[in-house]
Amino acid sequence: DAGVTQSPTHLIKTRGQQVTLRCSPKSGHDTVSWYQQALGQGPQFIFQYYEEEERQRGNFPDRFSGHQFPNYSSELNVNALLLGDSALYLCASSSGVHYGYTFGSGTRLTVV
Amino acid sequence: GIQVEQSPPDLILQEGANSTLRCNFSDSVNNLQWFHQNPWGQLINLFYIPSGTKQNGRLSATTVATERYSLLYISSSQTTDSGVYFCAVLGNDMRFGAGTRLTVKP
Repeated sequence: DAGVTQSPTHLIKTRGQQVTLRCSPKSGHDTVSWYQQALGQGPQFIFQYYEEEERQRGNFPDRFSGHQFPNYSSELNVNALLLGDSALYLCASSSGVHYGYTFGSGTRLTVV
Repeated sequence: GIQVEQSPPDLILQEGANSTLRCNFSDSVNNLQWFHQNPWGQLINLFYIPSGTKQNGRLSATTVATERYSLLYISSSQTTDSGVYFCAVLGNDMRFGAGTRLTVKP
């Protein structure tokens, strides 16, 4: 049973560029949430997708956007990258919005 | 949004010692999970525990939802238990505490 799969695992981008991160949820899960984890801190909630719509959003600027596809996979897009966007980006999936979350291994983004 | 506080922020133990990690949260929640983050960043689910007590080997957890706290117990700690432990609570979305960094020395 495949868990949550994220790609790529590592990425280096230049300030001002755009980046797309991808997430495939665990089999049977229909809800995807994205988190940003800066070094030494806890994960911070970015947004959550359910039924292909953004259901909840954390305190992140509009440069952060996302999408969920009919097969429940999801993308996180970040435009106009800043040095401060360097972090580990984690994707979590769940069955519905009120049940236990399973996390992927994350994408480590470095902005130079 | 819901505030989540974990204590202590750092904990250093000798192998074989027991420990208790605490998580306080500011509002009623739909569920609560404890995670262990490994050195590669993977968040490993330890317990899904919106209320009550669960045990898994040397680890156990108790959540008292009415008093808005949860405890994670680690008994007979091993060096492989080292890492960061996070409590996360689900209201409208899942919010994490800042974590407890556990170091177990041989």
